[in-house]
Amino acid sequence: EAGVAQSPRYKIIEKRQSVAFWCNPISGHATLYWYQQILGQGPKLLIQFQNNGVVDDSQLPKDRFSAERLKGVDSTLKIQPAKLEDSAVYLCASSPKTGKDYGYTFGSGTRLTVV
Amino acid sequence: AQSVTQLDSHVSVSEGTPVLLRCNYSSSYSPSLFWYVQHPNKGLQLLLKYTSAATLVKGINGFEAEFKKSETSFHLTKPSAHMSDAAEYFCVVSPRGAGTALIFGKGTTLSVSS
Repeated sequence: EAGVAQSPRYKIIEKRQSVAFWCNPISGHATLYWYQQILGQGPKLLIQFQNNGVVDDSQLPKDRFSAERLKGVDSTLKIQPAKLEDSAVYLCASSPKTGKDYGYTFGSGTRLTVV
Repeated sequence: AQSVTQLDSHVSVSEGTPVLLRCNYSSSYSPSLFWYVQHPNKGLQLLLKYTSAATLVKGINGFEAEFKKSETSFHLTKPSAHMSDAAEYFCVVSPRGAGTALIFGKGTTLSVSS
């Protein structure tokens, strides 16, 4: 079974620039998550999609972050403009909608450095 | 509110000795609980999960955890540490089960010395 694919693996940008990350979840997984992991901390949820609808974006800094999941499959996360404190690993995960298969699967992440 | 508290930010053991990583949770619902491991510059890997079946859960690489509702704990143990166990460990709660977001603890760094 193919895993959760993310790209790019690494990105270095200057503050105030924009950046976009891409995620392709496991086939058939209805739920997709974006997490932010700052160095030395546990991942924190940014946004959760169910198919192509947003379930929870309460912790997404909406003045600079945006995300979409067109057609309920791939997703992109964008930051514009980036700040120094956005330096982190951005993790994408997917899981089935229901059932006892708590099959959360994480991608390898995109490491963003803002200089 | 749902949360997890990892009681130790850093645990150091010698190779061959037991490992204990402590985790307490808070949840208004009957939770699902997980332990994930993250090696340096690697992705998150699921060690084990509790989803309301047996309270003693066995995972990969010899790890196990026991769900204790009365103590709201889900401690991770391993009888004998190996050098390759050195990593960051996260206790995680999914308050409402499948299809809901995970809430991570702050992590425990496990160091293993020879």
